[in-house]
Amino acid sequence: SQQGEEDPQALSIQEGENATMNCSYKTSINNLQWYRQNSGRGLVHLILIRSNEREKHSGRLRVTLDTSKKSSSLLITASRAADTASYFCAFTGNQFYFGTGTSLTVIP
Amino acid sequence: NAGVMQNPRHLVRRRGQEARLRCSPMKGHSHVYWYRQLPEEGLKFMVYLQKENIIDESGMPKERFSAEFPKEGPSILRIQQVVRGDSAAYFCASSPRGPQENTEAFFGQGTRLTVV
Repeated sequence: SQQGEEDPQALSIQEGENATMNCSYKTSINNLQWYRQNSGRGLVHLILIRSNEREKHSGRLRVTLDTSKKSSSLLITASRAADTASYFCAFTGNQFYFGTGTSLTVIP
Repeated sequence: NAGVMQNPRHLVRRRGQEARLRCSPMKGHSHVYWYRQLPEEGLKFMVYLQKENIIDESGMPKERFSAEFPKEGPSILRIQQVVRGDSAAYFCASSPRGPQENTEAFFGQGTRLTVV
């Protein structure tokens, strides 16, 4: 299967703490992307990291990519209750392959 | 620039009926993708189309399901003779370039299909 695997499946933290979620994949990739999905809504793109990049920042988001280990991590710093959502990694080959998702709950 | 528009948002069909889900990509986007999502699960790829052509339909069941993206008009995902197991959220996404060209996918709000 081309689908990525994410862990943890669910994560619950207090507001202000950092949240880290990981994604592993099996194929060679052009880039890896992270998306967010609020309950019952469509996915929203957060950040893209190319295969020749190791780290990228966007606001409170930090993404790392290790192509030798075929893995990526998404760090959300100083989390807020509004960050509560599901987060999916996606990697591109012939199409967009999505991971299984991490459900993040930030407790106010 | 309107986002990806999907309609209807909610669709109820009786077993054996046909379901037609529509997706209008963002302006200027010629690449369309359909995904299916069950509650608490990830997105399962169904089909990738690029204006009038099916590029990859490896995720779509061979029977009862079909997809098109005509030269004019929205992309249509068609499910014939629906069964209860077809109940799910169906998401459409579009992109301005192909997946191998470092582009992001823009998603619609989904169509929630309920088969009764």
